[in-house]
Amino acid sequence: AQSVTQLDSHVSVSEGTPVLLRCNYSSSYSPSLFWYVQHPNKGLQLLLKYTSAATLVKGINGFEAEFKKSETSFHLTKPSAHMSDAAEYFCVVSAPSNSGYALNFGKGTSLLVTP
Amino acid sequence: NAGVTQTPKFQVLKTGQSMTLQCAQDMNHEYMSWYRQDPGMGLRLIHYSVGAGITDQGEVPNGYNVSRSTTEDFPLRLLSAAPSQTSVYFCASSRHRDPSYEQYFGPGTRLTVT
Repeated sequence: AQSVTQLDSHVSVSEGTPVLLRCNYSSSYSPSLFWYVQHPNKGLQLLLKYTSAATLVKGINGFEAEFKKSETSFHLTKPSAHMSDAAEYFCVVSAPSNSGYALNFGKGTSLLVTP
Repeated sequence: NAGVTQTPKFQVLKTGQSMTLQCAQDMNHEYMSWYRQDPGMGLRLIHYSVGAGITDQGEVPNGYNVSRSTTEDFPLRLLSAAPSQTSVYFCASSRHRDPSYEQYFGPGTRLTVT
């Protein structure tokens, strides 16, 4: 079985300050992990993914995430928030299941960026 | 490439009505799927397809049917709409069912059932 927990439903930061969006996962297998971003009234876009290569993963728009197996975490960070980063962010875990591969989405974290 | 397209963008149905949500992709992707997104719930998988003629159920399939007669199209049918099906529906496609491949999402269909 696998699951993902996004620890904060809302995060608010000031423009220019660091962003931290937290994600913990559980999986019986070695998982693949993803972060997707959804801007208002838009579909989801892949930010970055971890698939058992380097534990520090760099994505688009300056975001990165670190896979920490000992802590079962995959937190998303950015050194300096921009107004355009305001969006909903989803952590996703996948692993083999009886029906193939199963993708489990977290419930999302809404990022607010204030001037 | 248009990517993944969905129609309509918005729809209002009365309880008991049926309708089809359209999804098409022009990337020759093997894997296609339908999700519903509800507030505070993330995305939940309804149905998926690993190729033309092959479909399977996801986490929340009840009340929905799918078919995959071509690689490009993957329509989602609501058989008898219920208020519980009020949601935003996303179609996604990927080169392969292995989730290490990126999923490409359509813009969504916002459905309200009254």
